[in-house]
Amino acid sequence: AQKVTQAQTEISVVEKEDVTLDCVYETRDTTYYLFWYKQPPSGELVFLIRRNSFDEQNEISGRYSWNFQKSTSSFNFTITASQVVDSAVYFCATHQGAQKLVFGQGTRLTINP
Amino acid sequence: GAGVSQSPRYKVAKRGQDVALRCDPISGHVSLFWYQQALGQGPEFLTYFQNEAQLDKSGLPSDRFFAERPEGSVSTLKIQRTQQEDSAVYLCASSLAPGDLYEQYFGPGTRLTVT
Repeated sequence: AQKVTQAQTEISVVEKEDVTLDCVYETRDTTYYLFWYKQPPSGELVFLIRRNSFDEQNEISGRYSWNFQKSTSSFNFTITASQVVDSAVYFCATHQGAQKLVFGQGTRLTINP
Repeated sequence: GAGVSQSPRYKVAKRGQDVALRCDPISGHVSLFWYQQALGQGPEFLTYFQNEAQLDKSGLPSDRFFAERPEGSVSTLKIQRTQQEDSAVYLCASSLAPGDLYEQYFGPGTRLTVT
């Protein structure tokens, strides 16, 4: 079955530092999607990115970037010049079947001023 | 803003009580999902609706859990005879269309505490 491992339970950095959140996935599918979600203290999961396994190009969106490495089954997320507002729990996910998201355990990121 | 809404936001139930959790998806969204998130864990899939049809209920942990979406919009997750292990945040999500893993939009969740 599909599985997502986020080995970093908690990360704490000082504002303006760069930080990378690791994600390793397992899937039996030959084509698949990967996701990152952010969960701020309010509790609502906020979609950040969906990546198709066909596309191994790295993606950048502002201060956020994602490094997809199919060879190592990893989909890491980097925040550049972190800000206090980036503090949240971040979840990496894949899917099982056409609809069911399978989440990792999450990484709690704390950005200290 | 017309996001996914859930009510109540917090629910305290005594062990053995029945509870009903409501989800209002984004208008026009065909797909609706329920997830259970235990403290310190990632969300886990419970069930999925496409319009009013419940197409996947493989994640429901026991027959005490029941979900419905009778008119293809609002959904209710019901838990009968609550147990302490049911304490969790219950998240609802909706997406525009079935298939192709469209982005799922999540509500704020209902935090259920069973005492």
